[in-house]
Parts: sequence; structure tokens; C-alpha cells
Amino acid sequence: DGGITQSPKYLFRKEGQNVTLSCEQNLNHDAMYWYRQDPGQGLRLIYYSQIVNDFQKGDIAEGYSVSREKKESFPLTVTSAQKNPTAFYLCASSARVSGNSPLHFGNGTRLTVT
Amino acid sequence: QKEVEQNSGPLSVPEGAIASLNCTYSDRGSQSFFWYRQYSGKSPELIMSIYSNGDKEDGRFTAQLNKASQYVSLLIRDSQPSDSATYLCAVNLGGSQGNLIFGKGTKLSVKP
Repeated sequence: DGGITQSPKYLFRKEGQNVTLSCEQNLNHDAMYWYRQDPGQGLRLIYYSQIVNDFQKGDIAEGYSVSREKKESFPLTVTSAQKNPTAFYLCASSARVSGNSPLHFGNGTRLTVT
Repeated sequence: QKEVEQNSGPLSVPEGAIASLNCTYSDRGSQSFFWYRQYSGKSPELIMSIYSNGDKEDGRFTAQLNKASQYVSLLIRDSQPSDSATYLCAVNLGGSQGNLIFGKGTKLSVKP
């Protein structure tokens, strides 16, 4: 089955540690995205990538980093510089880079930093 | 500031009724509009997409777009308890997906 796989589902880290969230897709989609969702809030865009080896900052990129070395993979690193990292993180992909192409989401990673 | 506004709810309807969810957006140049359903603790899933004025129907779901009034709505006919979820409106301002703005969502509760 085609889809987007995020791992792990739950992640616990101590403050001051970097952590990397995995996102893999086998939909052959060009574009991939990372969103953050906090309780009662809409999804906020962290980073997106329209092509391998290229990515753009979203609205809340500070404290995060990404890479896109392969079309299928778009890992997100939450660094110790992110002031409030506890959140639900969603990876998504879309077939085309145009705004008309709907997003397909992975199952999410719930990160808790204490 | 580009904004997408939704009533947070909860919107409560009896089983079998029509649920009406509304979304307004601030940018008149917006081109693509999406409704996603998100069950508690789960990721969003696409329900409907609409790109031109008017109605678009898919089963029990109808999306309505009025660009002049800058609103998009989702009607759910014959509402079922399984429709109980948060519904997210997303609006693309044009260009790349980096311009996709999500509303905070409306929580729908369908009572048996």
C-alpha cells in the first residue's frame, strides 16, 4: 500500500537534546512538508521541499532543520534551540508542487520534551 | 496577515441531521480550498477539495465556495456518530504549497 510512514509514533526526550523525526513516502510525490500542531491550534508549516536537495522555510522554522537527500525521505530534526518543542508533528506529501494538489498526511509523531 | 477563520465549536447535531461547517478567509486571491477531517489523536485526512465557485458533491458531503464573499462551507447530510471529529479548512493563496493556510478547526459532535 502506498502511503507516508512517520516514526516513531511517540518520542520522549530531555530538554537540551536534539531529536530526529523520520518521514518516508512511497507515493512518488515530489513535494513533502512538515507541520506542527498544538492543542486548539491550526497546523503550522515548519519546512517544505519541492525537489530533492532543496527546501524552504515555513512560518515557524526556527529551531528546526531538515534534509531532502532522497525523494522518498524528509527527516526533521528538532534542535535544542527550539524553545517549546512538545507538540504533534505531521509529515505530508503532495503529488505536484502547485497549490491545487491536496496533501496526504502521515500518522504523526507526538514529541514530549521534559 | 493571511487568515482562515473557523468557529471552534463544538457544533452538536443529532444523528441524521445536516451539519453545516463554515470557513472564511482573508485573501481574495485564494485559489484552492480543502476540507480535512481529523479524529482525536489522529492525522488529518482529505474530505473535499474545491477550486471554483459553486457546489461540489461527494456522497454525503457537499463543499460550497463563494469567492466574492470569501467563504467556503462543508455540508454533511445524514450525519452519523462516526462523523464526530474536528474539521479543518485549508486555503491556498496561490503558487506553491508554502502558501497553504489552515484554520484551527471546528469540532463536530453527532449525537445518536
